[in-house]
Amino acid sequence: AQKITQTQPGMFVQEKEAVTLDCTYDTSDPSYGLFWYKQPSSGEMIFLIYQGSYDQQNATEGRYSLNFQKARKSANLVISASQLGDSAMYFCAIRKGTNFGNEKLTFGTGTRLTIIP
Amino acid sequence: ETGVTQTPRHLVMGMTNKKSLKCEQHLGHNAMYWYKQSAKKPLELMFVYSLEERVENNSVPSRFSPECPNSSHLFLHLHTLQPEDSALYLCASSQEFPSGIQETQYFGPGTRLLVL
Repeated sequence: AQKITQTQPGMFVQEKEAVTLDCTYDTSDPSYGLFWYKQPSSGEMIFLIYQGSYDQQNATEGRYSLNFQKARKSANLVISASQLGDSAMYFCAIRKGTNFGNEKLTFGTGTRLTIIP
Repeated sequence: ETGVTQTPRHLVMGMTNKKSLKCEQHLGHNAMYWYKQSAKKPLELMFVYSLEERVENNSVPSRFSPECPNSSHLFLHLHTLQPEDSALYLCASSQEFPSGIQETQYFGPGTRLLVL
């Protein structure tokens, strides 16, 4: 079974500061993918960034980067120069296996990020 | 319309009602998913459809009945629900390939369901 742990239920960060959201995972699969999603108060889950277990470099997407430490089973999300619009719930997720037709995402409990002006 | 849409966005129903949630994806994907998001709990995968065939059913009670008439549409039929079924129901879609390569899931805005 796979498991995602997000230990920060809530965070408050000053606007323009960088923020790191923690995520640790547990899996017995040699091949897996790690995802971060953002969920604003509107409810929609917005895909932010993806890291494959065999990727040599940390993933980056604009202001988002993923600090992937495979030995520690850690996949922290870093948001640089935070903005008020970054206030939302953030979910870390892991995808198991490579079976066709069986993509299953396991999500963590999320971190509520609030950006303070 | 672009992306993944869901209707209705909000739904209040009694325990004896029958209602349906609708999801439509405009991304040309071949796999669709239903998730349940309850307060303070991780997202729970309910159903997976790949090429219009149900490939996963995570021990979901029979009062939830999915239907996938084609690769662009997914329904969740609800009947005799319980108050604990109140949650945000999210639909997602993705593209999957026989080689095993899977692309990212994209989510709709969800339906907030309240069962009285």
